Amino acid sequence: DQQVKQNSPSLSVQEGRISILNCDYTNSMFDYFLWYKKYPAEGPTFLISISSIKDKNEDGRFTVFLNKSAKHLSLHIVPSQPGDSAVYFCAASALNGNTGKLIFGQGTTLQVKP
Amino acid sequence: KAGVTQTPRYLIKTRGQQVTLSCSPISGHRSVSWYQQTPGQGLQFLFEYFSETQRNKGNFPGRFSGRQFSNSRSEMNVSTLELGDSALYLCASSLGVGINTEAFFGQGTRLTVV
Repeated sequence: DQQVKQNSPSLSVQEGRISILNCDYTNSMFDYFLWYKKYPAEGPTFLISISSIKDKNEDGRFTVFLNKSAKHLSLHIVPSQPGDSAVYFCAASALNGNTGKLIFGQGTTLQVKP
Repeated sequence: KAGVTQTPRYLIKTRGQQVTLSCSPISGHRSVSWYQQTPGQGLQFLFEYFSETQRNKGNFPGRFSGRQFSNSRSEMNVSTLELGDSALYLCASSLGVGINTEAFFGQGTRLTVV
């Protein structure tokens, strides 16, 4: 039972344009969501998070949007840069994030072309 | 501030053997979680330790176990290794208390079972 789903295995965008990565979840107990970026053979790097009490959180070029009614979140990267090329994972947790247990999606490979 | 340190980085073991992996969390972090990443299953939660106690457990067989020491360092052990245990094992540390605390990952240990 995949509680967190990233339905697009890959995404390709041109440098300077917007990248939009999507994530859906099924468990209504999830109340804290995170995005991680990962390169092969390395650990995931934390990018940005959002609590369920918010619908948007912004940090530099990264913005995460949360639509609780649709159980959907998205990560926007503007403008996209070649260095953003990596695998992006969406993760969710319950208990207001007061737990180390994260449920991850399968990841989306982003390629930013120069 | 030093990040999450995992040792060793690479390991080759034979079927039937056991293995111990180590994780040193970020200073001040009391929660350590372990994840297994495989191409087919993605990132899956193994267990979380907080203040030397197992706080959460994923859906893995009893061959997978762990512990946490008083200095928050953690070890995970896999006994009677199977070929399917070949994976990247990731450790993540977080404060473990309070809301919306991000988890930070180590570089991982690449385990190959032959």
